[in-house]
Amino acid sequence: DVQLVESGGGLVQPGGSLRLSCTASGFTFSHYWMHWVRQVPGKGLVWVSRISPDGSSPTYADSVKGRFTISRDNAENTLFLQMKGLRVDDAAVYYCARDFGELPFGNWGQGTLVAVSS
Amino acid sequence: DIQMTQSPSTLAASVGDRVTITCRASQSISTWLAWYQQKPGKAPKLLIYKASSLENGVPSRFSGSGSGTEFTLTISSLQPDDFATYHCLQYNTFARSFGQGTKLEIK
Repeated sequence: DVQLVESGGGLVQPGGSLRLSCTASGFTFSHYWMHWVRQVPGKGLVWVSRISPDGSSPTYADSVKGRFTISRDNAENTLFLQMKGLRVDDAAVYYCARDFGELPFGNWGQGTLVAVSS
Repeated sequence: DIQMTQSPSTLAASVGDRVTITCRASQSISTWLAWYQQKPGKAPKLLIYKASSLENGVPSRFSGSGSGTEFTLTISSLQPDDFATYHCLQYNTFARSFGQGTKLEIK
């Protein structure tokens, strides 16, 4: 079965940094586009970033450009999101998600909660 | 960026009802539209992609239609398991965007 497991969330002060990880299993990780999507509890979903299968084409939402960096380690089947300069409005549950063929965000992890507060 | 406007934001209905949720795009997205169901504390689950294609394992009471800028998700006969929040997604551009969600509540 396809599994995506996020980790690395927690409480950080404004201006701080955090690195999220998403460990994949049950499929050939290096073949798929991967994404980060976030959601403030009780609110809508927001696409954050995506990366190509070989890691060569990262793209970002305007709201995180220049502060967040997406990367992947295909040997370790792991997706990362390095977050710097965190703001209060970055607080959310962060999900990793996989595009599967024609299926956008066909698989999701369970999410990891990022809290930003002083 | 493409803005997605979903309506209604909340919908109260009863088991057995037929319900329709609408999503409008700020510019044409052809049929690059998906629908997701999300239950409290859980990740979203893909229901429909390419505006009208049903994901494997999704009950046939769910259907999607539309193209260009206007799309609908219809549940033909609500079941107890269907009370959840529904989100539309446009994936016409690399910067994907969601609607704000529709919470389907029991009347």
